[in-house]
Amino acid sequence: DQQVKQNSPSLSVQEGRISILNCDYTNSMFDYFLWYKKYPAEGPTFLISISSIKDKNEDGRFTVFLNKSAKHLSLHIVPSQPGDSAVYFCAARTTSGTYKYIFGTGTRLKVLA
Amino acid sequence: ETGVTQSPTHLIKTRGQQVTLRCSSQSGHNTVSWYQQALGQGPQFIFQYYREEENGRGNFPPRFSGLQFPNYSSELNVNALELDDSALYLCASSPQPTAKNSPLHFGNGTRLTVT
Repeated sequence: DQQVKQNSPSLSVQEGRISILNCDYTNSMFDYFLWYKKYPAEGPTFLISISSIKDKNEDGRFTVFLNKSAKHLSLHIVPSQPGDSAVYFCAARTTSGTYKYIFGTGTRLKVLA
Repeated sequence: ETGVTQSPTHLIKTRGQQVTLRCSSQSGHNTVSWYQQALGQGPQFIFQYYREEENGRGNFPPRFSGLQFPNYSSELNVNALELDDSALYLCASSPQPTAKNSPLHFGNGTRLTVT
């Protein structure tokens, strides 16, 4: 039962354009959502997060949008840079019992120079 | 500020053997979680330790066990290794289990190969 889904395994975008990465979830008990970036041979690095009581959070070139009615999360990167090329994971935190984080399967972003 | 460190970086073991992976949490963090990332998948929650006790567990068999020490460092032990245990094992730390809106901070992982 995959509670957090990233349906696009890969995405290619031209440098300077917008990258949009999507994530869908099924559990309405998730209270906190995050995006992580992962380079090869490194652990995931925290990028940006959003609480379930908000619908948008910005940090520089990165914006996360949350649509609770659609159970949909997206990450916008504007403008995209070659250094953004990595695997991006969305994650959601459960509130039932111990806090634990459920991760999607990742989207590989390639930004073309 | 010292980040999360894991050792070793790579390990090759034979089916049936036992393995111990180690993790030092980020300074100021007293909660450690372990995740398994198989090839092509996202990280999957194994368990979490707080105040030297396991306080949450994912869908992993009892041969996956752990410890947390007074300095908040942690170990992951896997007994009777199986081929499917081959994966990247990630350790993550956070300030406390119920810290509001505080992300996990990951180490670079241990790549375990079981032959």
